[in-house]
Amino acid sequence: AQSVTQLGSHVSVSEGALVLLRCNYSSSVPPYLFWYVQYPNQGLQLLLKYTSAATLVKGINGFEAEFKKSETSFHLTKPSAHMSDAAEYFCAVSDRRGFKTIFGAGTRLFVKA
Amino acid sequence: SAVISQKPSRDICQRGTSLTIQCQVDSQVTMMFWYRQQPGQSLTLIATANQGSEATYESGFVIDKFPISRPNLTFSTLTVSNMSPEDSSIYLCSVPGQGKNTEAFFGQGTRLTVV
Repeated sequence: AQSVTQLGSHVSVSEGALVLLRCNYSSSVPPYLFWYVQYPNQGLQLLLKYTSAATLVKGINGFEAEFKKSETSFHLTKPSAHMSDAAEYFCAVSDRRGFKTIFGAGTRLFVKA
Repeated sequence: SAVISQKPSRDICQRGTSLTIQCQVDSQVTMMFWYRQQPGQSLTLIATANQGSEATYESGFVIDKFPISRPNLTFSTLTVSNMSPEDSSIYLCSVPGQGKNTEAFFGQGTRLTVV
């Protein structure tokens, strides 16, 4: 069985500060890993994905994530937060090509002016 | 990429009634998935709908409450039965990634409010 744990249901940063959203996964097979963003009252948007190629993955809006097998982690980072980054972020895992995607509980990012 | 259409996009229903949500995909897919997103929560997988066989339900979800049909490779329905206010959620249909896309595709969801 696969699972995802997102550490911290809420993260607050100042505008311009580093954003770090933590995600640890559990999978019995090599996983596919994803980060999604959801703005209020909107649908899911894929930020980035890891599919066993490069371990450092760059996504949209300046976000990136690093796959660390030894730590079973896939943390999301952005060097400098912007007010528009305020949203809910979900880490997700699947064991094959998009099959049965399992989502973490989500982390709400607040950005202070 | 797959294009998924869900109907209705939103509805307000009386408790005790049932609502059937439709999901149409623009290509043939073996598996379709139904998720629920309760207010302020993450997405939870309800069931996997395979064409030609019974749906597979996740722990905590039962067929009597969420019957699913999968008549062909491009269409599925999810019924929310005997609704209560606790069923107020967004229900999303999803299909596996295709081609170069390893990520699943999601419909825009059905926002259900039970009063």
